[in-house]
Amino acid sequence: DGGITQSPKYLFRKEGQNVTLSCEQNLNHDAMYWYRQDPGQGLRLIYYSQIVNDFQKGDIAEGYSVSREKKESFPLTVTSAQKNPTAFYLCASTLGAGFGTEAFFGQGTRLTVV
Amino acid sequence: KQEVTQIPAALSVPEGENLVLNCSFTDSAIYNLQWFRQDPGKGLTSLLLIQSSQREQTSGRLNASLDKSSGRSTLYIAASQPGDSATYLCAVSSGGSNYKLTFGKGTLLTVNP
Repeated sequence: DGGITQSPKYLFRKEGQNVTLSCEQNLNHDAMYWYRQDPGQGLRLIYYSQIVNDFQKGDIAEGYSVSREKKESFPLTVTSAQKNPTAFYLCASTLGAGFGTEAFFGQGTRLTVV
Repeated sequence: KQEVTQIPAALSVPEGENLVLNCSFTDSAIYNLQWFRQDPGKGLTSLLLIQSSQREQTSGRLNASLDKSSGRSTLYIAASQPGDSATYLCAVSSGGSNYKLTFGKGTLLTVNP
């Protein structure tokens, strides 16, 4: 079945650590996105990539980094510079660049600082 | 800056009732509007996508309408069932490069047996 796979489902980070969230898609979609969801705030865009080896900052990119070395993979690293990383992280993809077509989302990764 | 508002924030109805969820957006220059469903602790499932040139889309018991000029969309759910209980999110695609999907905060729907 085609879709987006995010791993792990739950992730715990100690203070000062960097952690990487995985996002893989087998939909042959060009564009991929990372969103952060906090209670009462809705979803906010962290980074997006419209093509391999290219990515752009979203609204809340500080403290995060990404790479897009393969079309099907878009990992997100939460660095120690992100002061409030506890949140639910969602990865999405679209067939073409931008949201002119239907967006598909993964099942999310819940990150908790311990 | 595009802003999306969903009313009501929460809704509780008895099983079998027809219901309407509302979504409004401030900038009418959108490419499309999508409705999503989110179950607790899960990702988003796309329900309906309405392109800016369309007025409505239907899928099963769901019907979504779009009035771009007034900045409004509604999601109509017919004959609601307990399995429809979830948070429903509205999102609009806008911006010069069409890269951004702006979300509302959602409506938490509870359908009581």
